[in-house]
Amino acid sequence: SQKIEQNSEALNIQEGKTATLTCNYTNYSPAYLQWYRQDPGRGPVFLLLIRENEKEKRKERLKVTFDTTLKQSLFHITASQPADSATYLCALNRGSTLGRLYFGRGTQLTVWP
Amino acid sequence: EAQVTQNPRYLITVTGKKLTVTCSQNMNHEYMSWYRQDPGLGLRQIYYSMNVEVTDKGDVPEGYKVSRKEKRNFPLILESPSPNQTSLYFCASSPSRGRGPYSYEQYFGPGTRLTVT
Repeated sequence: SQKIEQNSEALNIQEGKTATLTCNYTNYSPAYLQWYRQDPGRGPVFLLLIRENEKEKRKERLKVTFDTTLKQSLFHITASQPADSATYLCALNRGSTLGRLYFGRGTQLTVWP
Repeated sequence: EAQVTQNPRYLITVTGKKLTVTCSQNMNHEYMSWYRQDPGLGLRQIYYSMNVEVTDKGDVPEGYKVSRKEKRNFPLILESPSPNQTSLYFCASSPSRGRGPYSYEQYFGPGTRLTVT
């Protein structure tokens, strides 16, 4: 099955800095990769989606890159704020199997003032 | 308001007592899925449905049943719950339009915290 690793369980950064989260995958090449935000006790909320033929996607302070050669996605939050503190999950599919989705365990980001 | 609802939100039950967790979405989405989330293991897919009457297994289907008789509802059934099914459960939906949910964002419900004693 697909194996997904997110760089670390926790990341602590100072307000105003750029947070960079990593998602590495093995085995199958996904057609799409997604990033979600999850706050304690709540369901994940979709942030960004990037397709296999796209190198980079941006949305406001968020940026996602996708390197299918390295089998890696990077998720950046620029000018981070304490309100960005949450757990961030990456998710991807097995390219040939519709419906099956695999999530990483998440990285807990804390932005301190 | 577009949303995914789950009921109940919290449930404490005993081993072997059949239960159903309901999931409903009002966005006319084709795709629906169930996940469980456990500390250190992340979100794991239980079952999913590409459309009405079409369901398939995810990573951890043992001990669970689902049905998709109508587009908006996707109940999760535990015929004989066991303590290892104690978990936080999420339902999600997506407008897959036949191309798979990965091509579109998923909308998650608020979660159901289940404890089996």
